[in-house]
Amino acid sequence: RKEVEQDPGPFNVPEGATVAFNCTYSNSASQSFFWYRQDCRKEPKLLMSVYSSGNEDGRFTAQLNRASQYISLLIRDSKLSDSATYLCVVNGGSQGNLIFGKGTKLSVKP
Amino acid sequence: ETGVTQSPTHLIKTRGQQVTLRCSSQSGHNTVSWYQQALGQGPQFIFQYYREEENGRGNFPPRFSGLQFPNYSSELNVNALELDDSALYLCASSLYAGGTYEQYFGPGTRLTVT
Repeated sequence: RKEVEQDPGPFNVPEGATVAFNCTYSNSASQSFFWYRQDCRKEPKLLMSVYSSGNEDGRFTAQLNRASQYISLLIRDSKLSDSATYLCVVNGGSQGNLIFGKGTKLSVKP
Repeated sequence: ETGVTQSPTHLIKTRGQQVTLRCSSQSGHNTVSWYQQALGQGPQFIFQYYREEENGRGNFPPRFSGLQFPNYSSELNVNALELDDSALYLCASSLYAGGTYEQYFGPGTRLTVT
């Protein structure tokens, strides 16, 4: 089983749509969870950290289910500028590394 | 912008050569991590440096080595380059060591090995 698995995508949605990304992780000892977005040929940029109680930042909502080892990201009212690859990220333990999923590509169309 | 800088932005090397990539961390951050991102994949952890010491290492051979300097900037060195080393090399800085803290990435160095 891969350490972090995401929906392979791509997701093609119209502007204004709601889209959800799902992610599972294998290490039950993981303590920190993040969503990054990455534009084509650019670096990953931190979108949001994911907290146990779930958290929201504008149109973006992240949820964490530790029992199921599952993380989700919901984007409401999609904009053209949301088109990017979304990376689910989990901390790898004491070594300090982050473990990335392969990413899910989102294309928002007019 | 994150304030993390990397140089050079692009590099073309021949198989067997050696390369040095550089990274300056965000002001106030004392930890630098390096990642390799192949096309179509998520970044893979190479190693992390904290206060000039290696703090953890991923599944990369010893020909990948690094340094961190007193000002917290860092270098990644790769010896005996192989074709499969062609990738985007990313450095990320964070406030503290460990994976608990948010890491902020620089723009990367795109390495092509021919």
